[in-house]
Amino acid sequence: QQQVKQSPQSLIVQKGGIPIINCAYENTAFDYFPWYQQFPGKGPALLIAIRPDVSEKKEGRFTISFNKSAKQFSLHIMDSQPGDSATYFCAAASGGGADGLTFGKGTHLIIQP
Amino acid sequence: DSGVTQTPKHLITATGQRVTLRCSPRSGDLSVYWYQQSLDQGLQFLIQYYNGEERAKGNILERFSAQQFPDLHSELNLSSLELGDSALYFCASSKQGAGELFFGEGSRLTVL
Repeated sequence: QQQVKQSPQSLIVQKGGIPIINCAYENTAFDYFPWYQQFPGKGPALLIAIRPDVSEKKEGRFTISFNKSAKQFSLHIMDSQPGDSATYFCAAASGGGADGLTFGKGTHLIIQP
Repeated sequence: DSGVTQTPKHLITATGQRVTLRCSPRSGDLSVYWYQQSLDQGLQFLIQYYNGEERAKGNILERFSAQQFPDLHSELNLSSLELGDSALYFCASSKQGAGELFFGEGSRLTVL
């Protein structure tokens, strides 16, 4: 049973556009929601994370929006660049992140020049 | 470089065989996680160890087992291998078993 649903599976955006990746979860015990970025041949790396006490978090060009009542969160990439082309995974965990992360299935993002 | 080291990077073996994947966590990290990544299933959590003790179990098959040694390195043992076990196996570590996970570059297993 997939506990974190991620969409879309793939996304193509022109340079400068704002790709948006969405995730939904079911487990109300989840209280830590990170996004990981993975380049080909590499392991995933933490991009940005949010806890449910805030509705938005920005780090550089990356923003997480969080809707606790809808049990949804999303990643926005402002002024996207070809170097942002990667696979993005949302994830969720309980215990403040102490329990194993449950990942979405990933979004393969391509930013066209 | 995340500081997490996984060996081997690539492994090709036959069905029915047994392999061992090794992971050295970042210096000071007490928690080790194993994940399986396949094209259709994404990143599947297998198992977590914290300071030598099993802490959480995910979708790990009975044919798979893992352990964390006193020096904190971990091994994932995969036995009676099947074609469907072909995947990337990632190890990750974290300081106190919470927050950011640091992933290695993975071990790609191909079962023929």
